[in-house]
Amino acid sequence: EPEVTQTPSHQVTQMGQEVILRCVPISNHLYFYWYRQILGQKVEFLVSFYNNEISEKSEIFDDQFSVERPDGSNFTLKIRSTKLEDSAMYFCASGGIGGFQPQHFGDGTRLSIL
Amino acid sequence: AQSVTQLGSHVSVSEGALVLLRCNYSSSVPPYLFWYVQYPNQGLQLLLKYTTGATLVKGINGFEAEFKKSETSFHLTKPSAHMSDAAEYFCAVTVPSGNTPLVFGKGTRLSVIA
Repeated sequence: EPEVTQTPSHQVTQMGQEVILRCVPISNHLYFYWYRQILGQKVEFLVSFYNNEISEKSEIFDDQFSVERPDGSNFTLKIRSTKLEDSAMYFCASGGIGGFQPQHFGDGTRLSIL
Repeated sequence: AQSVTQLGSHVSVSEGALVLLRCNYSSSVPPYLFWYVQYPNQGLQLLLKYTTGATLVKGINGFEAEFKKSETSFHLTKPSAHMSDAAEYFCAVTVPSGNTPLVFGKGTRLSVIA
């Protein structure tokens, strides 16, 4: 079964540095998402992406964050000037079309800010 | 806006016993409802979904859930717990739109005692 793949599985970064989290969605999916899960808390929506542009974003997704689909396969989340509170598990998800398709999640990237 | 409440952050059952994980939702329009499972250090795996039609939906690993509009509930059940069911379970809601993000509950950790 097709999978959403995320790299790296764990990223450790110094506070203030920039990080890029990478995702390869399922190939025929058209909707892409980033969610995050701070340790011990619920999964929170960050941003959705469709037709090469952001379609919706939460209040968490401020100017510190950006997303990009640089080619036909990758979907990236960039976090500039990281803060301690950015430490979390970041999940990428993708969804198809044709009726309602559930979102399929990757295994996540654990981001640790020191 | 949608919201999800999962009653009980931690549920413990004996192996072979009934599993019941509670989920109540709030939505101004007919919802789509999901249960995801998260095993330690892994991503979110779809257990089952309700979109339209039959209100009792069956998922993987012997789980099922029933959509009860009058009670705004979507409780997850399994007749007989197995040790491998120990995980975190998340209920999520969205609305019938191509790329509307999921709103998750806080999750319920299921422990299975031998």
